[in-house]
Amino acid sequence: DAKTTQPPSMDCAEGRAANLPCNHSTISGNEYVYWYRQIHSQGPQYIIHGLKNNETNEMASLIITEDRKSSTLILPHATLRDTAVYYCIVRGTYNFNKFYFGSGTKLNVKP
Amino acid sequence: DTAVSQTPKYLVTQMGNDKSIKCEQNLGHDTMYWYKQDSKKFLKIMFSYNNKELIINETVPNRFSPKSPDKAHLNLHINSLELGDSAVYFCASSQGQGGEKLFFGSGTQLSVL
Repeated sequence: DAKTTQPPSMDCAEGRAANLPCNHSTISGNEYVYWYRQIHSQGPQYIIHGLKNNETNEMASLIITEDRKSSTLILPHATLRDTAVYYCIVRGTYNFNKFYFGSGTKLNVKP
Repeated sequence: DTAVSQTPKYLVTQMGNDKSIKCEQNLGHDTMYWYKQDSKKFLKIMFSYNNKELIINETVPNRFSPKSPDKAHLNLHINSLELGDSAVYFCASSQGQGGEKLFFGSGTQLSVL
C-alpha cells in the first residue's frame, strides 16, 4: 500500500471550513483514498473514500488532485465535535480489508 | 442499539494471567477484525475473520487466539499476558472481505501490571 503523509496537527475556528491535506505520491492506479477519524476514546469512524473523482457525502468532501498524488478532506462547517485525529489511508483493491492507519492529523476546532 | 459492542471496556490484570475480550456486531456483516492501538496511538490490524474463517493474521504472537463462534461474534483470548500487551483493542466489522467501511467498537483498554 502507498504511504501517506499528513501534518501532525491543525487548528480550525468553529463554523469555518477545515481543509485537511494528505500526500500520497506513490499511489498506484487501483488504490483508493480513504478517510477515517478517531474522536478521543472512541473507535475510528469512516468518513469518505474515493478513487479519482471528487466525492461528497453528508459528513465531508474529498478532493483528489488530477495526478492523484494528494488529496484534501473538507469539513465545510467545523464544529467542536469534529475535534479528532483524522487518518488518510490508501488501500488497494488487492489488499482486501487491510487498512493501515498512520499517525494522522489532530484537528483542533476552537470556539 | 450499539452496532459493534465490546466487553469489557476496561481490563486491569497482572502479568501472566489469561484474559478474554468479547465482541459482537448486529450489523449483519460477515467480516470482523481485531485492531490494537498502542501507547503511541498507532492502530494496527491483528486478525480478520470472514464467515468464521481466519483470513488475516498479522504476525501476532500465538499467545493471542481469536475465536469466531458465528459471524456476529469475534472474541480475543490472550494467554500469559505481558506488560507490552497493554493497549487499547478495537473490534471492527465490515460487509465483505473488501469492505470499504469498517465499523469499530468503542475499544477495550487493557492494562497489564
